[in-house]
Amino acid sequence: NAGVTQTPKFRVLKTGQSMTLLCAQDMNHEYMYWYRQDPGMGLRLIHYSVGEGTTAKGEVPDGYNVSRLKKQNFLLGLESAAPSQTSVYFCATLGTSGAANTDTQYFGPGTRLTVL
Amino acid sequence: GENVEQHPSTLSVQEGDSAVIKCTYSDSASNYFPWYKQELGKRPQLIIDIRSNVGEKKDQRIAVTLNKTAKHFSLHITETQPEDSAVYFCAAPPSYSSASKIIFGSGTRLSIRP
Repeated sequence: NAGVTQTPKFRVLKTGQSMTLLCAQDMNHEYMYWYRQDPGMGLRLIHYSVGEGTTAKGEVPDGYNVSRLKKQNFLLGLESAAPSQTSVYFCATLGTSGAANTDTQYFGPGTRLTVL
Repeated sequence: GENVEQHPSTLSVQEGDSAVIKCTYSDSASNYFPWYKQELGKRPQLIIDIRSNVGEKKDQRIAVTLNKTAKHFSLHITETQPEDSAVYFCAAPPSYSSASKIIFGSGTRLSIRP
């Protein structure tokens, strides 16, 4: 049981390049989220998904696209990277615990992205 | 949409003293209030949470209190230890059944002085 995994762990891009970050989960959770965390800052929600085939915008969606073709995967795309997108990106899932319904979020280990 | 404000942004306490971090939220539909701890270079991890049907929950040295009328909840850490040094985040997700955005507070950097 790997929980939430993210690929890659680190990446350096040049301005204008594109890339896709992959989040995978094996907990069968419906909800998945992408956050960015800038140095010394909090977590800001980029996009989220409430189920396979659905996506929605968060607080800071501009410059990013997402897809949830399979329940276990949530992809975050940068079509034309900019230095302002240098950040650590965290994926998270949301699951309930049966009757307890704890609404607990589980975070991936993060992807450190630098855009030059 | 939901708005979550967290105070203070930084907090320094003497080892052994108590620390209190407060969050206010705007969405009256919120009914679940988690607190996360993030150590340097690591992912946020849940340390304690509370549902709206209770006013206080304790787990050893940490506790969370909730005031639904005033729309605020607080994290209390007693007998602080060096390993408590970290950044703490609150969150106030709306009801799970309505699904949606989970917005975090801006975080509190807690430092424990020896």
